[in-house]
Amino acid sequence: DVKVTQSSRYLVKRTGEKVFLECVQDMDHENMFWYRQDPGLGLRLIYFSYDVKMKEKGDIPEGYSVSREKKERFSLILESASTNQTSMYLCASSRTGVNEQFFGPGTRLTVL
Amino acid sequence: GQNIDQPTEMTATEGAIVQINCTYQTSGFNGLFWYQQHAGEAPTFLSYNVLDGLEEKGRFSSFLSRSKGYSYLLLKELQMKDSASYLCAARTTDSWGKFQFGAGTQVVVTP
Repeated sequence: DVKVTQSSRYLVKRTGEKVFLECVQDMDHENMFWYRQDPGLGLRLIYFSYDVKMKEKGDIPEGYSVSREKKERFSLILESASTNQTSMYLCASSRTGVNEQFFGPGTRLTVL
Repeated sequence: GQNIDQPTEMTATEGAIVQINCTYQTSGFNGLFWYQQHAGEAPTFLSYNVLDGLEEKGRFSSFLSRSKGYSYLLLKELQMKDSASYLCAARTTDSWGKFQFGAGTQVVVTP
C-alpha cells in the first residue's frame, strides 16, 4: 500500500519560531510537493521538487523554504513563523509523467 | 493565467445523483483529476480524464470537454459516506505533474 507520511498531525508554534514540517514517501517517486489548504482557497502550491537537491517555487513560496536531501524525504521550513501561516499543510508525491499525486494526512499548524 | 471554478456546496439525498461541475482555464492543459477529501483527511484520487468523453468507475463517472474547458463528476446512488469535499484539479503540461486545484465542492448527503 502506497504511503505518504507527515511528521505531525497537529502543531502549535509561536510567532518568530523556526518550524520544520517533514514528509516521507515510500513509493520511490521522483516528484514531491508542499501545499497549504485554506477554506475557500483550495490547495495552493508552495514548493515542489523533481529530484534530490532540486526545488522549484510554486504559487506562494514567500516565507517558506524547502530541503530535499534524500529522494524519499521533503521538508518544508518556515524560517520565522507568522500568524498568517496558520493553515493545513499537505505533502504529496508523484511519479514523473501523467500520474496522480498521492497525499499525506496533513499537518494542521497554528501560529500564535 | 490559471483558474479553476467549481460550486462551493451541494446537497442531495441518499440514493440520488449529484453532478459537480468544474470549469478550468490553464496556460497548458494535460489532464483533469478529481479527488475526494473527507474532513480532516488527505485527498484521495477518484478519476482522471485527458481525452474528451466519459470515464466510468462504479458509482462515480467523470466527463471532460477540452474545447469547452469543462468537466463534471457524477456521483450515483449516493451514500452517506459520500459526504465529503470534491476537488477538481487541472494538470499542466510541464513534466513534473503540477496541478492547479479548485477550492473544492462540499457535498452533503442527507437521509
